[in-house]
Amino acid sequence: EDQVTQSPEALRLQEGESSSLNCSYTVSGLRGLFWYRQDPGKGPEFLFTLYSAGEEKEKERLKATLTKKESFLHITAPKPEDSATYLCAVQAGANDMRFGAGTRLTVKP
Amino acid sequence: SQTIHQWPATLVQPVGSPLSLECTVEGTSNPNLYWYRQAAGRGLQLLFYSIGIDQISSEVPQNLSASRPQDRQFILSSKKLLLSDSGFYLCAWGAGPYEQYFGPGTRLTVT
Repeated sequence: EDQVTQSPEALRLQEGESSSLNCSYTVSGLRGLFWYRQDPGKGPEFLFTLYSAGEEKEKERLKATLTKKESFLHITAPKPEDSATYLCAVQAGANDMRFGAGTRLTVKP
Repeated sequence: SQTIHQWPATLVQPVGSPLSLECTVEGTSNPNLYWYRQAAGRGLQLLFYSIGIDQISSEVPQNLSASRPQDRQFILSSKKLLLSDSGFYLCAWGAGPYEQYFGPGTRLTVT
């Protein structure tokens, strides 16, 4: 069965302390892997799409990478405004997007 | 640019009452539309998706239903709510099998 697992569940960082979030997946025929940011009480905001192993995407302090079994979201020198839940999802079929439970990131000033 | 709206933003309903949540998309034609539910601390669960008017696919058997009476309108309904229907309901649109864009969500509390 297609599955997406995110770790850690929660991560607390000091401002400026770089780290990585993990998304491991098992899916037959990956069509794409997606990262979203979700603030409390709001809908997820799209960040990145990755399609093939070795691909990387960057946006400000965030960089997403993809291997055949997992993806990492690297956060460089985070700021308090980066605090949010980060969701990973995989597209297995045409309308079959599976989400992980998310990593709740807190960045302390 | 594309915009997605959902209403109401919050809703408190008693058990056994009906439900109607609405979602509309602006700035695109013939989008794929999706309804998700997010329980506290859990991932998003796909409930329904639609690739066109009156074309609805259900992912999870339950007492909810969906309709798409117009190209950019997607409605989630129930005839009788259960306590287990409480959650955060999200509508999303997409252009084919690519990234999806989410609305602001509706917080439903069934009492």
